Amino acid sequence: QVQLQESGPGLVKPSQTLSLTCTVSGGSISSGGYYWSWIRQHPGKGLEWIGYIYYSGSTYYNPSLKSRVTISVDTSKNQFSLKLSSVTAADTAVYYCARTLVVPAAHDYWGQGTLVTVSS
Amino acid sequence: SSELTQDPAVSVALGQTVRITCQGDSLRSYYASWYQQKPGQAPVLVIYGKNNRPSGIPDRFSGSSSGNTASLTITGAQAEDEADYYCNSRDSSGNRNWVFGGGTKLTVL
Repeated sequence: QVQLQESGPGLVKPSQTLSLTCTVSGGSISSGGYYWSWIRQHPGKGLEWIGYIYYSGSTYYNPSLKSRVTISVDTSKNQFSLKLSSVTAADTAVYYCARTLVVPAAHDYWGQGTLVTVSS
Repeated sequence: SSELTQDPAVSVALGQTVRITCQGDSLRSYYASWYQQKPGQAPVLVIYGKNNRPSGIPDRFSGSSSGNTASLTITGAQAEDEADYYCNSRDSSGNRNWVFGGGTKLTVL
């Protein structure tokens, strides 16, 4: 059973960089066949896909966030990470990591999510 | 187009059948996936592809698609099915984006 777990600071100051890590267990990121996504949910709102990465390092980002997002992978630790720069209060959200199938398209395993609040 | 539209709220009597729909141009090219989210919990995949259920998802959940509309049907809704439901698909505009619908709050009466 694949499990994902987000970790990182729960509070980030405006204009700083949000950094989160997702640790994968029960399966290897390097095995291929899947992408690894970050998805967020603003309080009381719907879901927003941020971007994903393949074990090779190929990345794809939501065009609306692309200028501020970096997703990276560390296959030796079976982890992938999110960096979101120049954050504002509008980036306050629960951030989820997920395993993603491309064909057919689906996010089949999710982490429990972590709330990140942007505030001074 | 990069939008998926869902009805904000739907209700169903216990044991009855309910259909939750999702509309968008990308659904002409890609199947939708559907997620159930209960308060304070992460979303759970319930339907993906043409009509595939992950292990552990009851067979009362099914999916279908026609034109620009995808549907999630719950046949014999149970009290535990009360939740928010989101559809999701790849964007067909060529930018490799993924889009979610705004979500449907299902109430089981």
